[in-house]
Order: sequence, then structure tokens, then C-alpha cells
Amino acid sequence: AQTVTQSQPEMSVQEAETVTLSCTYDTSENNYYLFWYKQPPSRQMILVIRQEAYKQQNATENRFSVNFQKAAKSFSLKISDSQLGDTAMYFCAFMKLSYSGAGSYQLTFGKGTKLSVIP
Amino acid sequence: GAVVSQHPSRVICKSGTSVKIECRSLDFQATTMFWYRQFPKKSLMLMATSNEGSKATYEQGVEKDKFLINHASLTLSTLTVTSAHPEDSSFYICSAEERGGSHNEQFFGPGTRLTVL
Repeated sequence: AQTVTQSQPEMSVQEAETVTLSCTYDTSENNYYLFWYKQPPSRQMILVIRQEAYKQQNATENRFSVNFQKAAKSFSLKISDSQLGDTAMYFCAFMKLSYSGAGSYQLTFGKGTKLSVIP
Repeated sequence: GAVVSQHPSRVICKSGTSVKIECRSLDFQATTMFWYRQFPKKSLMLMATSNEGSKATYEQGVEKDKFLINHASLTLSTLTVTSAHPEDSSFYICSAEERGGSHNEQFFGPGTRLTVL
């Protein structure tokens, strides 16, 4: 079974500053995806960024980028130029990719990090 | 595109009654839908995986007779909480995987808050 660990229950950052949220995972799989989801107070889950494990290049989406270290099983999220709208719970998630068997394409979530952006 | 709706958004019921929650993919066909439960300030816990036209696969510890899942069409899955009790109060979220998609993205509904009195 896969596990996802987010060691920072809460973090805060000044508006316009940069913050990094950490995530580690444990798996014996070689083919998988990693995700960061944002859950604002509305509770709607929003995909922030995704990374394919076979890609060495770190994914980026505008102000959001990841530092994917496959050997270390680490997948941190960097938010640059933080904005008030970034205030939310952030969940790291793992998806095993296999074409058969239990757990295929299911998301395993970490416990989340509550990020507060301070004006 | 890729919008998933849930109905109702909030429901309050008496203990012992049953509650049905609907999850619909509005602009795509969903071969697979997932049901999650989220306690306050906690993470999402997968309850079951639902494939259209077949029985749902429940995660360990989830009572299949308590949480009935029906996925009768490619755009609708329902979760029925039978004989609800206060401990079933929670936030229930569904997600859908697009038919023919690459499996690497799930589209989430806005969630349903269930309160059992």
C-alpha cells in the first residue's frame, strides 16, 4: 500500500513571498503520478499540478512548481508570489498506474497542509 | 469542461433515516466514479470505487450494506447512507474519471455535507 506524508499541518506566508510545502511518499511502484490539490474554504477540490514519475523534469504551472526527487520519494510544492487566494488546504496525492489489480488509478491523499497567506 | 455536480450540497436528517447523494458528470461520460469521506480538518478517505454497470469496490472497513453505491449510467452515481447515525455525519465528495481519458485526472464534485441528528 502507498502512504503519503505531509509533515507540515499548518504554514503561513506573507503575500508576494514564496513558500514550499513538503510531501514524501512511500511506494514500491515504478509507474505513478503525483498531484497537489488545493481545497479552499468552499471545499471544492482543485487540481494545482501533477507530475508523471517517469519524467525527470519538474512540472510547473504559472506560480506553482514542484521539486520531484524520485529516489528520495519527495514531492514538494513551491508557490511563488503568494496571493491571498492561495489560502487553502493543500493535499499531496499519489496515484498508482497499473492496468489491472486493486488500487489502480486510485488517489491516496496526505493529511494536508493548511496554508494561510497573510496580507 | 469536466464539471462534476453533487446534490444535495447539504442535508440534515434524523437518525435512522436513509439519505441519497447524487454525483453527476455534466459534460463528459464517467466510466469510473470515486466516493470519498472527509472529516473536519482531515484528509479525504476513499470509500469505494464505482464502475458503470458493475458492483462497487469498497475499501477495507467501509460497510457495503451501510453505504450503498449505484452507478447505473455513465453520468450518474449515487451513494445512499442507510439508517444514518450521528457518526455518519461528514463531508462526502465524489470524483469522476472521464471515459477514454488517460486515467491521470479525477474531476471532483463540490461535496455534500451530511448532518445526522
